[in-house]
Amino acid sequence: GAGVSQSPSNKVTEKGKDVELRCDPISGHTALYWYRQRLGQGLEFLIYFQGNSAPDKSGLPSDRFSAERTGESVSTLTIQRTQQEDSAVYLCASSLGGAGWDEQYFGPGTRLTVT
Amino acid sequence: DAKTTQPTSMDCAEGRAANLPCNHSTISGNEYVYWYRQIHSQGPQYIIHGLKNNETNEMASLIITEDRKSSTLILPHATLRDTAVYYCIVRVSTGANSKLTFGKGITLSVRP
Repeated sequence: GAGVSQSPSNKVTEKGKDVELRCDPISGHTALYWYRQRLGQGLEFLIYFQGNSAPDKSGLPSDRFSAERTGESVSTLTIQRTQQEDSAVYLCASSLGGAGWDEQYFGPGTRLTVT
Repeated sequence: DAKTTQPTSMDCAEGRAANLPCNHSTISGNEYVYWYRQIHSQGPQYIIHGLKNNETNEMASLIITEDRKSSTLILPHATLRDTAVYYCIVRVSTGANSKLTFGKGITLSVRP
């Protein structure tokens, strides 16, 4: 079946512009995560959605970052007034969201370059 | 979540076993050990996880020491496609807020 998809795969933007990244989770997955991966580094957690619960935004680095999810479907990550340090691969993952072990399936990521 | 430490890199010959170590000396009793890998330009992929017993699946085996302070991921017959960054993660297994905390991982290079 279809996995997690993300778009665009690559995005180059000028400093100060806003960008919107999209994630389509696996159908039926109630949990959705956004991570950021800078070059040569591990993944940094950004935000987590679980069903209709309030999202866990504890990983968002600044108020320039926001994310939305409509129901249990598509999510968008928005970065306003982009800075060069925002350059990274942004990864989305989804999972069934049940109690206990819950494998996360990752998308291919969006590579953001801020010039 | 407990912190893990891994060597920066290692290599092994194709067809041989790759043994990837991980230290997690501050692991709590309710924390599991997970392994993910990330092949170049792809998202991370789940490999295996365990609590205290050794585990095996079609991809790998996980050996956890009796005191649970370290573990080893074993790829029994490494192939060139196993070249990737391997992440060892420890966390509580729960559906609520199950964010993964990745370190830098270990880069495994499989040579022909």
